[in-house]
Amino acid sequence: VQLVESGGGLVQPGGSLRLSCITSGFTFRDSWMAWVRQAPGRSLEWVANINTDGNTVYHVDSVKGRFSISRDNAKNSLYLQMNSLRADDSAVYFCATDPDFGALDSWGQGTLVSVSS
Amino acid sequence: DVVMTQSPLSLPVTLGQPASISCKSSQSLVHSNGNTYLTWFQQRPGQSPRRLIYKVSNRDSGVPDRFSGSGSGADFTLQITRVEAEDVGLYYCMQGTIWPPTFGQGTKVEIK
Repeated sequence: VQLVESGGGLVQPGGSLRLSCITSGFTFRDSWMAWVRQAPGRSLEWVANINTDGNTVYHVDSVKGRFSISRDNAKNSLYLQMNSLRADDSAVYFCATDPDFGALDSWGQGTLVSVSS
Repeated sequence: DVVMTQSPLSLPVTLGQPASISCKSSQSLVHSNGNTYLTWFQQRPGQSPRRLIYKVSNRDSGVPDRFSGSGSGADFTLQITRVEAEDVGLYYCMQGTIWPPTFGQGTKVEIK
């Protein structure tokens, strides 16, 4: 199982980024997926998750209306579109498989997002 | 949101000695389907989190049997029978029973 995130970087407040997670080694189209973030020196925070066909998505309140999770099963890829970024969105963003009520069993290496002027 | 409270936050341990981490939730984590979605993760320095235990006490494949999880309702424990050098890192509990899933603050295990 491999999950490889990309798309992070330095962005100004109010800007946008699109994170990608390319997966292999498992049947992506049968797997719920999630994004989790970790601010420097802080604990983990759930961001969003998505069902197998992409028709059901959940976002935590702190990102609702600004972030959007999506997937492309033909490309074995997961995405996180992040708009109206704020300084407190700065974190390492991990994608993970979500087999059962948040019991994330495989994680990527993460991609760093820094929001600063 | 459900608050997950871990203790201690820092745990210095002598090699070969046991260690225990407590995780308490602000609400019962028993789902209406009868399952309890309490997961333990290990995060070694500079690495991504790794799942150790799911549904309170189910150990993942490849996880040494010195790790065990127990508990019920709103009170859970991760135990390491004999700490080894490779166990150094942060340990997080997480609940998935009630949306949104929430994590504990993390417990740092270090060698004395």
